[in-house]
Amino acid sequence: QLQLQESGPGLVKPSETLSLTCTVSGAGGSISSSSYYWGWIRQSPGEGLEWIGTIYYSGSTYYNPSLKSRVTISVDTSKNQFSLKVSSVTAADTAVYYCARHPTSAGGFYGMDVWGPGTTVTVSS
Amino acid sequence: QAVLTQPSSLSASPGASASLTCTLRSGINVGAYRIYWYQQKPGSPPQYLLRYKSDSDKQQGSGVPSRFSGSKDASANAGTLLISGLQSEDEADYYCMTWHSSSWVFGGGTKLTVL
Repeated sequence: QLQLQESGPGLVKPSETLSLTCTVSGAGGSISSSSYYWGWIRQSPGEGLEWIGTIYYSGSTYYNPSLKSRVTISVDTSKNQFSLKVSSVTAADTAVYYCARHPTSAGGFYGMDVWGPGTTVTVSS
Repeated sequence: QAVLTQPSSLSASPGASASLTCTLRSGINVGAYRIYWYQQKPGSPPQYLLRYKSDSDKQQGSGVPSRFSGSKDASANAGTLLISGLQSEDEADYYCMTWHSSSWVFGGGTKLTVL
């Protein structure tokens, strides 16, 4: 059974960089598979669900235009992991962060079909 | 105006059917979009239910009961999630999502109460 697990600091200071990693394991969980893309989504009480960005094993990335200037998503196929960095964080970046899988479609990728349990990140001094 | 608008709450009785709507912003034609539906219970991540664009372009999520189904109401410019034979465990938040302007965008969610 496919499992995604987010990990990283639960507390980040304002103006610093938030860093999270998603480890993929189980059946259908090879990050190097051409059948899937891998994404990050966050959820805060004030903003609801917000897509952050998505990556393919080749390194191709797709970012939410509203966050693009502060976000970097990378992939490490040797560890079967992908990572998220959000720079210059403020209290508005406080949220539950989820990683998820996107099935590949003709010409791109479908919406998320499997999600990790999520990890809470608080931005505070 | 938000791309996707959902009513904030809906109540229905056990055994009845519930129709959850996801209205697209004026000027965006629902016919061209795949609408995704997710169920979220407190303390858990969203769970994929299904996607629907047309009867020939749809997918049920793995293990999702057939009493969850998708459709569109072109006259209302909306996607719809129909839940039949409501059960107490269907009480949850439901979110719609679509791909628009190079982004995945979510609706604000509908809290479904089964009472």
